[in-house]
Amino acid sequence: SQQGEEDPQALSIQEGENATMNCSYKTSINNLQWYRQNSGRGLVHLILIRSNEREKHSGRLRVTLDTSKKSSSLLITASRAADTASYFCATQNTGGFKTIFGAGTRLFVKA
Amino acid sequence: DAGVIQSPRHEVTEMGQEVTLRCKLISGHNSLFWYRQTMMRGLELLIYFNNNVPIDDSGMPEDRFSAKMPNASFSTLKIQPSEPRDSAVYFCASSSGGQGFGSPLHFGNGTRLTVT
Repeated sequence: SQQGEEDPQALSIQEGENATMNCSYKTSINNLQWYRQNSGRGLVHLILIRSNEREKHSGRLRVTLDTSKKSSSLLITASRAADTASYFCATQNTGGFKTIFGAGTRLFVKA
Repeated sequence: DAGVIQSPRHEVTEMGQEVTLRCKLISGHNSLFWYRQTMMRGLELLIYFNNNVPIDDSGMPEDRFSAKMPNASFSTLKIQPSEPRDSAVYFCASSSGGQGFGSPLHFGNGTRLTVT
């Protein structure tokens, strides 16, 4: 069973625009993470936000977490064609180990 | 750092055959996760280990699936007998997380399994 659900399922934007993806989850978490997957490859970790944090930045990435709504968002600013990939949120429970992924958002950035 | 290494990259087999997928963890990592990815079901957690001990195997679909960690750096996922519905990409991932501490997962590039 999946913990997180992302929306939208797919997103197509022009290079230079911002991309926002959302994730909702169901149970208490220790942290929430975002990953990226290029076609035919494994997932690559982007950013981790702990349950006591509300916002985190890394380069062109900004992640927010609202534990009261059990939701998170990933913002990619000034998108590039190379950002084209699938993006997944994942939650780790309060026990620390179990990592459950959402269904992912497919992002297509047009040059 | 060589990263997580999975083998083989591709496996094509006939229904009923035994399939063994292999994974080498990143040195120093103590948690190991096996996932299966399909278009229909997304990324499903099959089983995860911590310090070589299976912690949760509730995602293993059937008794036909088994996973082992014979040592701290290596794991196998075995399907016996294989069925066409097992066709998927199988990923392993490792992390250095300890109890209560979150840590990112490092994924291998997966094994694409096709059962005909």
